[in-house]
Amino acid sequence: GAVVSQHPSWVICKSGTSVKIECRSLDFQATTMFWYRQFPKQSLMLMATSNEGSKATYEQGVEKDKFLINHASLTLSTLTVTSAHPEDSSFYICSASNRGKGNTIYFGEGSWLTVV
Amino acid sequence: DAKTTQPNSMESNEEEPVHLPCNHSTISGTDYIHWYRQLPSQGPEYVIHGLTSNVNNRMASLAIAEDRKSSTLILHRATLRDAAVYYCILREYAGGTSYGKLTFGQGTILTVHP
Repeated sequence: GAVVSQHPSWVICKSGTSVKIECRSLDFQATTMFWYRQFPKQSLMLMATSNEGSKATYEQGVEKDKFLINHASLTLSTLTVTSAHPEDSSFYICSASNRGKGNTIYFGEGSWLTVV
Repeated sequence: DAKTTQPNSMESNEEEPVHLPCNHSTISGTDYIHWYRQLPSQGPEYVIHGLTSNVNNRMASLAIAEDRKSSTLILHRATLRDAAVYYCILREYAGGTSYGKLTFGQGTILTVHP
């Protein structure tokens, strides 16, 4: 139980294009989801918190117009990296808060983005 | 957010117990202590969490100091699959269904030798 799935697992895109990453809670409803990015050999950095039906809250220094987050349903949040550049290449990880399990946060498998 | 301090790395032998320490001297009364672990190229995996009392589950045990300024994650018998980065994180509870976010530090790299 408490499975969070991301898609795609990895994606390569051309510089200047946009790419969308999906995060789904498969067996629970998640009113709150979180998006992180992680560079090699570094820790996870929280990018934003998304609440179903409302605008995401971005962490300081994260460009909201570049990293578009949509939390349209209780089981789906999406992260769109717009006008991607090579420096956006990273491991993107989503997580979801499971209210049925004391609001424990469960993480997806992560999505590797490479911008060429 | 209250911070945690963990050793950069630790080593263990397979089938031996492992005690991973975490210091959180500025913890507040509403902070829960959470542990996650992360294998390479995977998302973090929930391990255990607690508030004041020691906790046990099928993965590990969490021992919390009486003053709550430190805690220890205990893996009773390490296996090669336990080799990972272990993160100790404080998560604020604001009441009702309002919980804080998880802010990751650098964690402890656990190496398990056969």
